[in-house]
Amino acid sequence: KNEVEQSPQNLTAQEGEFITINCSYSVGISALHWLQQHPGGGIVSLFMLSSGKKKHGRLIATINIQEKHSSLHITASHPRDSAVYICAVLSLSQFYFGTGTSLTVIP
Amino acid sequence: EPEVTQTPSHQVTQMGQEVILRCVPISNHLYFYWYRQILGQKVEFLVSFYNNEISEKSEIFDDQFSVERPDGSNFTLKIRSTKLEDSAMYFCASSVQGGTYNSPLHFGNGTRLTVT
Repeated sequence: KNEVEQSPQNLTAQEGEFITINCSYSVGISALHWLQQHPGGGIVSLFMLSSGKKKHGRLIATINIQEKHSSLHITASHPRDSAVYICAVLSLSQFYFGTGTSLTVIP
Repeated sequence: EPEVTQTPSHQVTQMGQEVILRCVPISNHLYFYWYRQILGQKVEFLVSFYNNEISEKSEIFDDQFSVERPDGSNFTLKIRSTKLEDSAMYFCASSVQGGTYNSPLHFGNGTRLTVT
């Protein structure tokens, strides 16, 4: 059973396109994290949110607690955005991870 | 900017051997975590550690595994009697706060463990 589901699993976009990655979860959470995993394997935390919306540069993350759903948006996508994006939720002091969305942005 | 450092970056060991993976969390962080990612699979939580003791652990974290904070800076994961299926990337992370407190996670670059 997967506590966290992400869609799509793979995404290819042209440079400049607006991108949306979705995350649904089935457990009660105290926080949701969006992470970026680079091709070399390193993981970087992009956002941590428990309500509403956060914006950092071209990245926007939203969460709807009632619907147990979060989205990560990338505006004006660029080839350097190519990575795996992972949704992770904190529930009762444990983290549950989605399987990730592999994004490729083509110049 | 301070970062979490992990050593070694790659460890090769023979089945049945013990390995110790090392992590130096960010100095003012209080919560420490180990995760693993088997090649091609999702990241999995192993254990969280606070105030010199385990605060949460997953089903994966059985008696084969142990964690320790031997001094004020290092946080180690020991795997006794390694198995082939322990081959994975192991990530250490730290945060200022944890549990029900919301605090960003800071990840190390990982140690790739290969068991032959």
